[in-house]
Amino acid sequence: ETGVTQTPRHLVMGMTNKKSLKCEQHLGHNAMYWYKQSAKKPLELMFVYSLEERVENNSVPSRFSPECPNSSHLFLHLHTLQPEDSALYLCASSQVGVGEQYFGPGTRLTVT
Amino acid sequence: RKEVEQDPGPFNVPEGATVAFNCTYSNSASQSFFWYRQDCRKEPKLLMSVYSSGNEDGRFTAQLNRASQYISLLIRDSKLSDSATYLCVVKKTPHSGGSNYKLTFGKGTLLTVNP
Repeated sequence: ETGVTQTPRHLVMGMTNKKSLKCEQHLGHNAMYWYKQSAKKPLELMFVYSLEERVENNSVPSRFSPECPNSSHLFLHLHTLQPEDSALYLCASSQVGVGEQYFGPGTRLTVT
Repeated sequence: RKEVEQDPGPFNVPEGATVAFNCTYSNSASQSFFWYRQDCRKEPKLLMSVYSSGNEDGRFTAQLNRASQYISLLIRDSKLSDSATYLCVVKKTPHSGGSNYKLTFGKGTLLTVNP
């Protein structure tokens, strides 16, 4: 398998559920990112992991919790989400310091 | 002022038309510039980097004006397959230095090329 993969592709969850999004990159990159894309808004960077260490957390609510066990895998753990958290969650990877990022297909999340 | 601001669009053009996208950025310390393309319900993909001297890739031409903090993308002889949202993207170094570069995306401009 090549590129950046994400699972699940679609997720519907209630506000009291706990779920996790998974991202895997097969490009040998050493930086991974989580973005949120809501309708009519630009992509919002949520978390950056560089060399498996979290280097940026853009004031994301604690109900989103990232995990990066190694340079190829990235998780986003979700709990007690709100309906306004419904969005497309995109994972990306790159080489540290390089501008080009490769995106996964995203997980479309609906919180009911 | 928004960090990256693009034409709101949408643009509807006939096949064969020339279309131009404009983008401005607010941080003069921005280092690198890109245009990404996002198809409907798909992920963004890099279309081209933007170099200081301007650069061309087939029907696509990108220009950068650092003094005006302005970036443009020109598509000539547009095809139906060019229909997508075009995202202006700016890369800057964080205040702390190091290699944790951050990409900031504009909202995007939707282009529809009609037969």
